Amino acid sequence: EDKVVQSPLSLVVHEGDTVTLNCSYEVTNFRSLLWYKQEKKAPTFLFMLTSSGIEKKSGRLSSILDKKELFSILNITATQTGDSAIYLCAALRYNNNDMRFGAGTRLTVKP
Amino acid sequence: SAVISQKPSRDICQRGTSLTIQCQVDSQVTMMFWYRQQPGQSLTLIATANQGSEATYESGFVIDKFPISRPNLTFSTLTVSNMSPEDSSIYLCSVAGAGGTDTQYFGPGTRLTVL
Repeated sequence: EDKVVQSPLSLVVHEGDTVTLNCSYEVTNFRSLLWYKQEKKAPTFLFMLTSSGIEKKSGRLSSILDKKELFSILNITATQTGDSAIYLCAALRYNNNDMRFGAGTRLTVKP
Repeated sequence: SAVISQKPSRDICQRGTSLTIQCQVDSQVTMMFWYRQQPGQSLTLIATANQGSEATYESGFVIDKFPISRPNLTFSTLTVSNMSPEDSSIYLCSVAGAGGTDTQYFGPGTRLTVL
């Protein structure tokens, strides 16, 4: 059975801290790993990782995929209160192009 | 990325009734999907909406309960039939294939409460 596991499930930090969110997966027909940020209803896209070992960056956020060990991490440096959200990772599969989501990490950044 | 709209954005419905949610994209997309997010849970795929043919449902979801239409490459509907309080969720459509990318983008979601 396909599994996407995120850790930690919840994290509370203070502004300026650096956080690392983890995502491991066991998914058939794996194609890519995606990260989303969910603040209200709709998840907003952050990164799509297809190749192993290539870091993607966007401002204070970065992410990398390890296809050998089947995991990905999302780093956020110098956190701000606006980073408070649920961060979701999802494994995109070949064939149907559907995604399997992890349970999410709820990040709270305190001033 | 594509601009996706969903209607309604929220609704409160009575047990036993049905609600149809619409998803409209501003450009042609290859694939459209419907997800459910129950309170405190992550996203679960309901089905892939196939243009011109029956939707492909995930295990645990059936057409009688969640009929889906996709008459063209920019529009889809999901109906939640014979609702019960357990159907209270956020329902999200997502699209892929806009601009040649496989990235899935989500609509704003529909928050459904069943009394």
